[in-house]
Amino acid sequence: DVKVTQSSRYLVKRTGEKVFLECVQDMDHENMFWYRQDPGLGLRLIYFSYDVKMKEKGDIPEGYSVSREKKERFSLILESASTNQTSMYLCASSRGAAKNIQYFGAGTRLSVL
Amino acid sequence: QQQVKQSPQSLIVQKGGISIINCAYENTAFDYFPWYQQFPGKGPALLIAIRPDVSEKKEGRFTISFNKSAKQFSLHIMDSQPGDSATYFCAAGSGGSYIPTFGRGTSLIVHP
Repeated sequence: DVKVTQSSRYLVKRTGEKVFLECVQDMDHENMFWYRQDPGLGLRLIYFSYDVKMKEKGDIPEGYSVSREKKERFSLILESASTNQTSMYLCASSRGAAKNIQYFGAGTRLSVL
Repeated sequence: QQQVKQSPQSLIVQKGGISIINCAYENTAFDYFPWYQQFPGKGPALLIAIRPDVSEKKEGRFTISFNKSAKQFSLHIMDSQPGDSATYFCAAGSGGSYIPTFGRGTSLIVHP
């Protein structure tokens, strides 16, 4: 089975802190994604990457950056956390040949106080 | 602009009933329509998917119906069970894109 592992299930941070969310997949997938999930808004794409060191902005990239130094790892960075970034963050991966089947991690619930 | 519109936002069904979730899309380039199921505390997981060359796909109690001319597709859960209580997302994608477009989700509660 594909496994997508997010390093933290719950995080509590203070406004202005730099926050790192880590995601690792074990299936050699080319594509990796970061979403945030908010009630009534569904899944909104923050950033995605289709190869090592490559990144593309999604629908809501403001206030976020990403890093993909290795194929299996995709990090989401909140440069200066704000209260409106309190949310559930989901990482996903997919194979290049089956671009539309995504495999999700369990999510990180981030609270910014 | 919502490219995939999902309804209803929430749904309550009695055990044994039929749950129906509808989605409509606009982009005629979409050629792949998956449904994802998300239990509390978990990430979404692929449940069932359909391509537009068929009008219906059934897997156990779960059926996708697809109407290409109306640009609509729906998920039917027959004999709904309390264990089906989850959030369901429809999505649409095309071979030319890495990224599916998701609906906003439907929270389904099945009462025992």
